[in-house]
Amino acid sequence: QLVESGGGVVQPGRSLRLSCAASGFTFSAFTMHWVRQAPGKGLEWVAVISFDAGKTYYADFVKGRFTISRDNSKNTLSLQMNSLRPEDTALYYCVRETMVLHAFEIWGQGTMVTVSS
Amino acid sequence: DIQMTQSPSSLSASLGDRVTITCRASKGIINNLAWFQQKPGNPPKPLIYAASSLHSGVPSRFSGSGSGTDFTLTISSLQPEDFATYYCQQYNTYPLTFGGGTKVEIK
Repeated sequence: QLVESGGGVVQPGRSLRLSCAASGFTFSAFTMHWVRQAPGKGLEWVAVISFDAGKTYYADFVKGRFTISRDNSKNTLSLQMNSLRPEDTALYYCVRETMVLHAFEIWGQGTMVTVSS
Repeated sequence: DIQMTQSPSSLSASLGDRVTITCRASKGIINNLAWFQQKPGNPPKPLIYAASSLHSGVPSRFSGSGSGTDFTLTISSLQPEDFATYYCQQYNTYPLTFGGGTKVEIK
């Protein structure tokens, strides 16, 4: 199970930190992602972190502003979002990959981020 | 970046109809293609991975095919619970990308 938290309403230019609590599986063995969905829109991949935090990749539209991290001792995935823009308004999902084939397997329910003055 | 083009963007179909959704990648992605189903207010549900493998618990009326750049999701006999939006996604290359979605509505 994946449970996201930390969403809310924030002004443009401010920061927000999202968390995703994992349970029911060996969190430290799996690569994890953040995916977002703006209201009424499609899905956008945001970032990925390898099982050991050794590798991270980001979508161009968040590069330099967002940082993905994980604490395997606490079974927690995080997304630090800085310099937020109105276009970052979306439901942010935490997603687990399959172990071998790298497909998305488990999605959380999402946490809503609204960037507005 | 690899662009994923889904068609149609929406369709109307009746119960029992055979429905086909296509997804085209701008570059070859081997078979690293997934399909998801999303209903309002819910996260996407994984249906298919590796272009044609069903996730556990997905009904056999769903099937996927294709490789390289052209892929298809087929629902052999549309059921009431299948009315939803469907997305394809390539996981061959970062940045991962999704198709724009296909909304399946009741005729």
